[in-house]
Amino acid sequence: AQSVTQLDSQVPVFEEAPVELRCNYSSSVSVYLFWYVQYPNQGLQLLLKYLSGSTLVKGINGFEAEFNKSQTSFHLRKPSVHISDTAEYFCAVTRNTGGFKTIFGAGTRLFVKA
Amino acid sequence: DADVTQTPRNRITKTGKRIMLECSQTKGHDRMYWYRQDPGLGLRLIYYSFDVKDINKGEISDGYSVSRQAQAKFSLSLESAIPNQTALYFCATSDRDRGYRNEQFFGPGTRLTVL
Repeated sequence: AQSVTQLDSQVPVFEEAPVELRCNYSSSVSVYLFWYVQYPNQGLQLLLKYLSGSTLVKGINGFEAEFNKSQTSFHLRKPSVHISDTAEYFCAVTRNTGGFKTIFGAGTRLFVKA
Repeated sequence: DADVTQTPRNRITKTGKRIMLECSQTKGHDRMYWYRQDPGLGLRLIYYSFDVKDINKGEISDGYSVSRQAQAKFSLSLESAIPNQTALYFCATSDRDRGYRNEQFFGPGTRLTVL
C-alpha cells in the first residue's frame, strides 16, 4: 500500500521567519516525490521533485526539500517566507514501478502573517 | 493562454441531473487525469488516460465516467449527480516521456455544487 501523511493541516508563521512543512510517506516500492503549491482559486503547480541522486532538492521561489529514506520523509523548507507564500502545499508520491499510482497528501495550509 | 483549460469554472446543479465537465490541453501531452479535491482529503484520482484508447479507473471512480475524445480533450461525466459529489474538480496532464517521473500540470479547476 502507498500513503502520504502531511503532519500539519495549518502552519501560521510570521513574514521572514523560516518554515518547515512536514511530509511522511509509506510505500512497498521505490517512489518519486513531489511538492505542489496551490494559490487561492488556482490549480496546483510544481514546486520541486525528487527522482534520484542528491537528497536535497531545490525548487522554485526559494523552497527546498530533503529526502530521508530511512525516515521515509520529504519535508519542505524555506529559510525566510513572504506574504506571497500564503497558499496550500501538497506532498505527492508516485511509485516508479508496477503501474501508475500517485497519492496526494491532505495538504498543509501555510499562512504568512505580516 | 492557459495550457490546461476547464469548462465550466463553476456549476450548480440538482440531484439526479447529468453533468459533464470538460478539459482541453495545448501541451501536447498524452496523459490526462481527473481529480477531485475535498477539504482535508487532498486530491483523489477519479480516472486517468494514458492515450486515447487507454482509460483507467482511479481510486474513486464510482458514480463517474469519462471520455477521451482526442489527445487534447478529456471529459468527466456525472450520470446522476448526488450532493456528496460537491467538490472542486481538477484536470491534469503529464508527458509520457520518462515514465512516471514527470510532474502533472493542472487546470484551474471546476467548482461543482450539487443541491
